Amino acid sequence: DAKTTQPNSMESNEEEPVHLPCNHSTISGTDYIHWYRQLPSQGPEYVIHGLTSNVNNRMASLAIAEDRKSSTLILHRATLRDAAVYYCIPNSGNTPLVFGKGTRLSVIA
Amino acid sequence: GAGVSQTPSNKVTEKGKYVELRCDPISGHTALYWYRQSLGQGPEFLIYFQGTGAADDSGLPNDRFFAVRPEGSVSTLKIQRTERGDSAVYLCASSLSAEGYGYTFGSGTRLTVV
Repeated sequence: DAKTTQPNSMESNEEEPVHLPCNHSTISGTDYIHWYRQLPSQGPEYVIHGLTSNVNNRMASLAIAEDRKSSTLILHRATLRDAAVYYCIPNSGNTPLVFGKGTRLSVIA
Repeated sequence: GAGVSQTPSNKVTEKGKYVELRCDPISGHTALYWYRQSLGQGPEFLIYFQGTGAADDSGLPNDRFFAVRPEGSVSTLKIQRTERGDSAVYLCASSLSAEGYGYTFGSGTRLTVV
């Protein structure tokens, strides 16, 4: 599995954009980049995934570097409900997801 | 149901006892995963089922841990001779396929061994 590096914690003001970075310099060519988040007292939930191109969905956007060694999850307007731990997970689909410690995002009203 | 259901939500047991944790996946999801999560850590993979068979059990910490999925839907994680170090939140997830996206997790069972 590719090793990932994410900040332990980040803070954002409500209604401002948040950029959550992830380094995955050992990613393989077949690995998709998956993002999950875990709200307090809940199991993780799927956010978004991509391979090479930037991706958008109703929850977030995913920007993938051209060399694929890093990616950024973008929340366009953070709300208090976005306070969670965010996990970046490279995975080819042949093995189960491997979670690191993620980034704990705090949102300030 | 609409989501993954795990029962019980909380379980307190004495050291040395046997426990069973149940997971009801989303109907039609063929892949089922068990993880456990300690405080401040990310979920740690335990075992993965594709249908009725365990496709990967490399994360089970020792032979006190065992899981079954006899009919390809409900799964039970069984822990024998529980130890205080087994205390954690046990999470179950299911997905239509094993491709990494679209895992749906339950809320977990918080196991406390006293």
